[in-house]
Amino acid sequence: DQQVKQNSPSLSVQEGRISILNCDYTNSMFDYFLWYKKYPAEGPTFLISISSIKDKNEDGRFTVFLNKSAKHLSLHIVPSQPGDSAVYFCAASSSGSEKLVFGKGTKLTVNP
Amino acid sequence: EAQVTQNPRYLITVTGKKLTVTCSQNMNHEYMSWYRQDPGLGLRQIYYSMNVEVTDKGDVPEGYKVSRKEKRNFPLILESPSPNQTSLYFCASSILQGVEAFFGQGTRLTVV
Repeated sequence: DQQVKQNSPSLSVQEGRISILNCDYTNSMFDYFLWYKKYPAEGPTFLISISSIKDKNEDGRFTVFLNKSAKHLSLHIVPSQPGDSAVYFCAASSSGSEKLVFGKGTKLTVNP
Repeated sequence: EAQVTQNPRYLITVTGKKLTVTCSQNMNHEYMSWYRQDPGLGLRQIYYSMNVEVTDKGDVPEGYKVSRKEKRNFPLILESPSPNQTSLYFCASSILQGVEAFFGQGTRLTVV
């Protein structure tokens, strides 16, 4: 039973345009959500997070939106840069839980 | 520099030959965990530890052991590796469970 779903295995966008990566979850107990970025031959690195008490969190070019009623979150990257090309993982946790639950990842390619 | 260090980065071994992948963090984090990443399956948690001498199973613990004798170290032990344990392994640590985790650079294991 996959609790965190990233339904798009890959996404390709042009440099300068917006990248939108989507993530759906099924567990209504999740109250904290994170995005990680992973380059080849490196470990995942934390990008941005959002608590369920918010519906938006922004950090520079990266914004995460949370729609609790739809159990959906998205990561917006504006403007996209070639260096953003990586695999992006969505993750979720619930208060008091022992672990982060990860999605399968979306490979973003930003073309120059 | 805050980091999680895994060794080795690459390992090829034969079926049944015991091996240990080491993991060390310098951030005084309580929480550490091991993940494996496989194509199409994302990151799956193997084991986690909430503190010294406190460990528990994650989603895919079969065939693995861990120990947490010191706060900074969390080795992953494969007593009798099998080809289905060929994977990319990541160690991670965090100040609390379920929040932003720092990942090591990964260990690519091949069992032949």
